[in-house]
Amino acid sequence: ILNVEQSPQSLHVQEGDSTNFTCSFPSSNFYALHWYRWETAKSPEALFVMTLNGDEKKKGRISATLNTKEGYSYLYIKGSQPEDSATYLCAFANTGNQFYFGTGTSLTVIP
Amino acid sequence: ETGVTQTPRHLVMGMTNKKSLKCEQHLGHNAMYWYKQSAKKPLELMFVYSLEERVENNSVPSRFSPECPNSSHLFLHLHTLQPEDSALYLCASSQVAGNEQYFGPGTRLTVT
Repeated sequence: ILNVEQSPQSLHVQEGDSTNFTCSFPSSNFYALHWYRWETAKSPEALFVMTLNGDEKKKGRISATLNTKEGYSYLYIKGSQPEDSATYLCAFANTGNQFYFGTGTSLTVIP
Repeated sequence: ETGVTQTPRHLVMGMTNKKSLKCEQHLGHNAMYWYKQSAKKPLELMFVYSLEERVENNSVPSRFSPECPNSSHLFLHLHTLQPEDSALYLCASSQVAGNEQYFGPGTRLTVT
């Protein structure tokens, strides 16, 4: 069983604050690193899929970086809004079609 | 709408019952997945089908049996489950294995 670690486990921020989370994963047999947002009572929704060391992806106020050599990815949210409240999951995909999810970071944005 | 549907949404079954979970995707994807979400645990990949061929996952008990009759449908057949199998079961699909996944709403399973 591979360990995909996410930190922090939960986070409360004020509306307008910027924040970031960390995902740590094994650096061997790397294929891709996924980020998903999972809102309460909804299905997980893909944010980013990153495959190359040094990748940086951006979607609106959310961005992510990837370091495959040291095995970590950061997710950044700029100017948090209440609608950003959700659990953010990362998933490590290896070359054998296996996916390993972290336990997620639960974000609450306080208006 | 994610384009991935799952039925039933809720299921209560006894340990001696046999039931099936159904997943259907309308996205033209070639890969489909079953996940288990237990309380306080990460999403756990159970099975992967790519072009209707199964990627083996030896850690899943044989009381869970997947079936992929075509690229749009995926089933999870359940028999003689245990109370610890109670969880949320999510189905997902992707264009090809490894790409971003689109998730269904899940089936909340309770084994009594």
